[in-house]
Amino acid sequence: SAVISQKPSRDICQRGTSLTIQCQVDSQVTMMFWYRQQPGQSLTLIATANQGSEATYESGFVIDKFPISRPNLTFSTLTVSNMSPEDSSIYLCSVEGVSWSGYGYTFGSGTRLTVV
Amino acid sequence: DAKTTQPPSMDCAEGRAANLPCNHSTISGNEYVYWYRQIHSQGPQYIIHGLKNNETNEMASLIITEDRKSSTLILPHATLRDTAVYYCIVGALEYGNKLVFGAGTILRVKS
Repeated sequence: SAVISQKPSRDICQRGTSLTIQCQVDSQVTMMFWYRQQPGQSLTLIATANQGSEATYESGFVIDKFPISRPNLTFSTLTVSNMSPEDSSIYLCSVEGVSWSGYGYTFGSGTRLTVV
Repeated sequence: DAKTTQPPSMDCAEGRAANLPCNHSTISGNEYVYWYRQIHSQGPQYIIHGLKNNETNEMASLIITEDRKSSTLILPHATLRDTAVYYCIVGALEYGNKLVFGAGTILRVKS
């Protein structure tokens, strides 16, 4: 299965600033997904990023707040802009692919963001 | 919204089988049942998936009812390391559809 490297693994940021999270995959993938997991909650999909096209955002998420880049088939970034304490969450990237025993999506280990 | 219903939590004794149920009464004909788990502070991990037939791999078994409206994930010999949140998800991921996570089941394996 694909191996995902996500950076940074954690960060503490001041409100009003922005943080860019990187997701690097060791193989070429068409679709990449960005999720948010608020404290004690399940995962919520933010957007789907396909190489060569604009990201598709889910209801409640907008490009101005969460701009995404997808410059090639192995890399993507998610920026959390103008942060507030409510943005404190774990942000995860995910890619499609075949796992060791079947088709499934692989997840990075996440970026734990705390906004103060 | 998630199309599955799972109990919020379950306990299991170490070494015993853990049976995690999932209801998906509105599943479509081309949708698979996927199971993922999330161990604390890690990203979700794929476990198993199936369409109609029961499936087994090194990690678990998946039993799907004949009408496909419910399924059960079985961890045959649960260990303390299996303590995690288990998510049952339905979707046609081979067609590029997105994973929609529900609340999942917190499984606590106790010694």
